[in-house]
Amino acid sequence: GIQVEQSPPDLILQEGANSTLRCNFSDSVNNLQWFHQNPWGQLINLFYIPSGTKQNGRLSATTVATERYSLLYISSSQTTDSGVYFCAAAYNTDKLIFGTGTRLQVFP
Amino acid sequence: GAVVSQHPSRVICKSGTSVKIECRSLDFQATTMFWYRQFPKQSLMLMATSNEGSKATYEQGVEKDKFLINHASLTLSTLTVTSAHPEDSSFYICSARFLAGGFYEQYFGPGTRLTVT
Repeated sequence: GIQVEQSPPDLILQEGANSTLRCNFSDSVNNLQWFHQNPWGQLINLFYIPSGTKQNGRLSATTVATERYSLLYISSSQTTDSGVYFCAAAYNTDKLIFGTGTRLQVFP
Repeated sequence: GAVVSQHPSRVICKSGTSVKIECRSLDFQATTMFWYRQFPKQSLMLMATSNEGSKATYEQGVEKDKFLINHASLTLSTLTVTSAHPEDSSFYICSARFLAGGFYEQYFGPGTRLTVT
């Protein structure tokens, strides 16, 4: 099955800094989602992006399916961006395979 | 739209007892829901797929007699942890499949933290 890896595992930023999170997947995908898990455990949908580029406010994401990776960009970080960012992928199935996550801490 | 709730948010039970966790899609109908388990500082692991009106499909290594899943309506799936033991302590999260813009996304409940003493 698909394997999903994320990097870096941990990221510490000062407020206002920009960051790039990476998600590599081992096989073709036709479903890729990015989530933010807040400190209380709730997963929040950020992007559904099996290919192409999307932007939502300070966040944007790009998936290059042919090269099997996706990037999540966070600009002008805020303390509320802290938490764990997961990507999850699937191919011809509803079963999402989650990556290992990137733990982000943003300090004022 | 696409709001998923879980109840309870936190539960403590004694070893040997059973605990039921509810997962509801509040503003849409969900023919398919999913149950995940997450240990501290780890990723989410899929336990089972819950389909309305039929038996759940369990992932390899998940004991179906221990984790009973019932999806009796288009808005409710339940997970019952039977004869709970301390090693069952974990964060349980459900999700529901939601059709938007021609594709399915999964939306997640807030999770249930189970502690077995």
